[in-house]
Amino acid sequence: DSGVTQTPKHLITATGQRVTLRCSPRSGDLSVYWYQQSLDQGLQFLIQYYNGEERAKGNILERFSAQQFPDLHSELNLSSLELGDSALYFCASSVGPRGQNTIYFGEGSWLTVV
Amino acid sequence: LAKTTQPISMDSYEGQEVNITCSHNNIATNDYITWYQQFPSQGPRFIIQGYKTKVTNEVASLFIPADRKSSTLSLPRVSLSDTAVYYCLVGAQAGTALIFGKGTTLSVSS
Repeated sequence: DSGVTQTPKHLITATGQRVTLRCSPRSGDLSVYWYQQSLDQGLQFLIQYYNGEERAKGNILERFSAQQFPDLHSELNLSSLELGDSALYFCASSVGPRGQNTIYFGEGSWLTVV
Repeated sequence: LAKTTQPISMDSYEGQEVNITCSHNNIATNDYITWYQQFPSQGPRFIIQGYKTKVTNEVASLFIPADRKSSTLSLPRVSLSDTAVYYCLVGAQAGTALIFGKGTTLSVSS
């Protein structure tokens, strides 16, 4: 158990809908990362927050947005969902914002768009 | 951000030592080298991290030459359960994205 909690674990929704994925980082971690992993694809970096502020942005679609709240939990919002958005979405956390900080991943949220 | 290059795949047999090498020619002075392991449908898991020379923990060793332009993850006496994807990451400065490459798929057979 990494200490990173993600909900929901599984989600099935229809095209055009909007979903919110939630992440609680490890206790004491200030940095949160979101990654997308499609079937047989690598981990695609979406976005990083540190102590409530956006720190780095990857290839995150405009239909996707995220935020980190004062209690440090984070939410990833996916809207106008398309079939291609079906993937495993990982949240990860680390103590600090730098790459040498060990990153701890949650178990992921499986999103299936039908 | 230092780019990393790893072999796409490797095969091994149980009980053998496996060495996976990662190239990172543009590594910055302050960058650390970190290796992660990922099983199917699970999040990557930290294996080992180093800055220079050799680091060893209970599961692996990490060898980093003096120029730091490459690193080698060594897994002693692999078992079937070591079949996974292994990622080499070079630490990003704050404010830049932490990118996982395609990793190395290690297949261990009996």
